[in-house]
Amino acid sequence: DADVTQTPRNRITKTGKRIMLECSQTKGHDRMYWYRQDPGLGLRLIYYSFDVKDINKGEISDGYSVSRQAQAKFSLSLESAIPNQTALYFCATGRLDTDTQYFGPGTRLTVL
Amino acid sequence: AQSVTQPDIHITVSEGASLELRCNYSYGATPYLFWYVQSPGQGLQLLLKYFSGDTLVQGIKGFEAEFKRSQSSFNLRKPSVHWSDAAEYFCAVLGGYNKLIFGAGTRLAVHP
Repeated sequence: DADVTQTPRNRITKTGKRIMLECSQTKGHDRMYWYRQDPGLGLRLIYYSFDVKDINKGEISDGYSVSRQAQAKFSLSLESAIPNQTALYFCATGRLDTDTQYFGPGTRLTVL
Repeated sequence: AQSVTQPDIHITVSEGASLELRCNYSYGATPYLFWYVQSPGQGLQLLLKYFSGDTLVQGIKGFEAEFKRSQSSFNLRKPSVHWSDAAEYFCAVLGGYNKLIFGAGTRLAVHP
């Protein structure tokens, strides 16, 4: 089984809809991250969490919110989706004593 | 400001040829550097990382990278490319609060 899973893997929605992307990990890592990938821009950090009670904004957090329901779960929400949020979204995990991050398979989101 | 530049958006090589993907970073302190690979429809997989010590780092799949502080570079190399190496490659530097800062990526095509 994959260490970092994301659901759904693909989602098409309409402008104004609320969307939740979920991430679960079995690696036992404290730290979790949400990135979005756009062609020609690489990956940019949306939110990150160092533990259940610690949530921090990344460089592009506007229009997004997150919830760290448990150490193993970190959800990303788009309260009112807009077309320029069409992107590939990645969840990643990391540990306090190592600087390596491990990525999930990604969720492709299309907002019409 | 911390940043990563990958000057080549697309590179095409013949199978069996050597490969070098360029990466330049901007970071005030000693950088922690990474190379990730993203195969079509897949998440990001860590190829190798540099934290300190030997400036020539060996990774998985026969890749290596050399850290050159004087040139602010961390170029990825492989002596003989295989068709399965066709993918997108991302260079990243670890910024404050363990946030990864990614380059825009280099897409590699391999001709038979």
